Parts: sequence; C-alpha cells; structure tokens
Amino acid sequence: AQTVTQSQPEMSVQEAETVTLSCTYDTSESDYYLFWYKQPPSRQMILVIRQEAYKQQNATENRFSVNFQKAAKSFSLKISDSQLGDAAMYFCAYGGGATNKLIFGTGTLLAVQP
Amino acid sequence: GAVVSQHPSRVICKSGTSVKIECRSLDFQATTMFWYRQFPKQSLMLMATSNEGSKATYEQGVEKDKFLINHASLTLSTLTVTSAHPEDSSFYICSANRGRYNEQFFGPGTRLTVL
Repeated sequence: AQTVTQSQPEMSVQEAETVTLSCTYDTSESDYYLFWYKQPPSRQMILVIRQEAYKQQNATENRFSVNFQKAAKSFSLKISDSQLGDAAMYFCAYGGGATNKLIFGTGTLLAVQP
Repeated sequence: GAVVSQHPSRVICKSGTSVKIECRSLDFQATTMFWYRQFPKQSLMLMATSNEGSKATYEQGVEKDKFLINHASLTLSTLTVTSAHPEDSSFYICSANRGRYNEQFFGPGTRLTVL
C-alpha cells in the first residue's frame, strides 16, 4: 500500500525568506502523481503544485517549486519569498492507480513571521 | 476553472435527525467525486468514492448506512448523514476529479454540529 510521510508537524519562516517542506512516499507503482495542497484557516483546500512521476523536470509555479527525487521517493516543496498569506497547513498527496484516490500526509503547519 | 461548491457551509442539527450535504462541480464534469472527513488539526480522512450512476465505494470502517452517498449526475453528489449523533460532528469536505492527472478540486467544506 502507498504511504505518504510528512515529518515536520510545524515550520516557521520569516517573511521574504525561503522555506522547504519535506515529504516522502512509498509506492511500488511506476506511474503516479504527487501534489502539494494548501489549507489556510478558511479550510478551503487549494492545489499548489503537481508533479508527474514520469517527468524528470521539477515542477514550478511562481514562488513554489518542488524537488522531486524519484529514486529516493522524496518530494519537497520550496516556497521562495515567503508571504504572510502563505501561512497555512500544507499537505503532500500521492495519486496513482485506477481509483483516482489521493493519499495524504499528516500535514505541516507553516507559520510566516513578519 | 475547476470550481467545486458545497452546501451548506455550516449546519447545526439535533441528535437523531438527518442532514444532507450537496457537492457540485460548477464548470466541469466530474468523473469521480470524493467525500472526506477532517478532525481539527488532522489530515483528511477519505470516507467514500462516488461515481455517477453507480454505488459509492466506502473506505473500511465507514458505515454506508450512516453516510448515504448519491451521485445523481456528473456534476452533483450528495452525502446524507442519517440519524446524526454528536460523534458525527465534524468538518466534511467533498472533492471532484475531472479525469486528468488524478488531481482533485475541493469544495469549501461543511461544518456539521450535532447537538
């Protein structure tokens, strides 16, 4: 069975600085997707970034980028130039197989200090 | 694009009553919809997977007679919490998949409080 592990329950970053959130996963599948979702205090889940496993190039969305290490089964999220609005719970998620289910990690609560 | 609505956003009911929550994909047809439950400061717990025109698939430990799911169309799924009790109080979130990349788009959630 697939698992997703986020080992950092809480992180803190200064405004305008860079922070990296860690995520590891376990799977025997070769074709899958990885995601980072953000859940601010409103509790609306927002898709931050997506990575296809077959792509070697790391995905980037503006200030958000990932470091995808397929052999190591690692999928970290880097947030550059952190802003106060980035404060949220961040969930790493794995999607694969025929069911379209997502498997979520336990989340990392990110605080942004002014 | 890819907007999912959920109604109501908040509901308070008496123990023993039933509550229906609607989930709609507003600008796309959803191949699959999902229902989650989330406790404070915890991750999302998948309750069931719903496909249009077929019976929902429930996760282990989820009572299908307690949590009735109907997927009437490619844009609408409903979750009915039957004979609700205080332990059913939680935050319920739906999501929809449009068949690409496994990515899911989430509704804003429903906070259910059972008195």
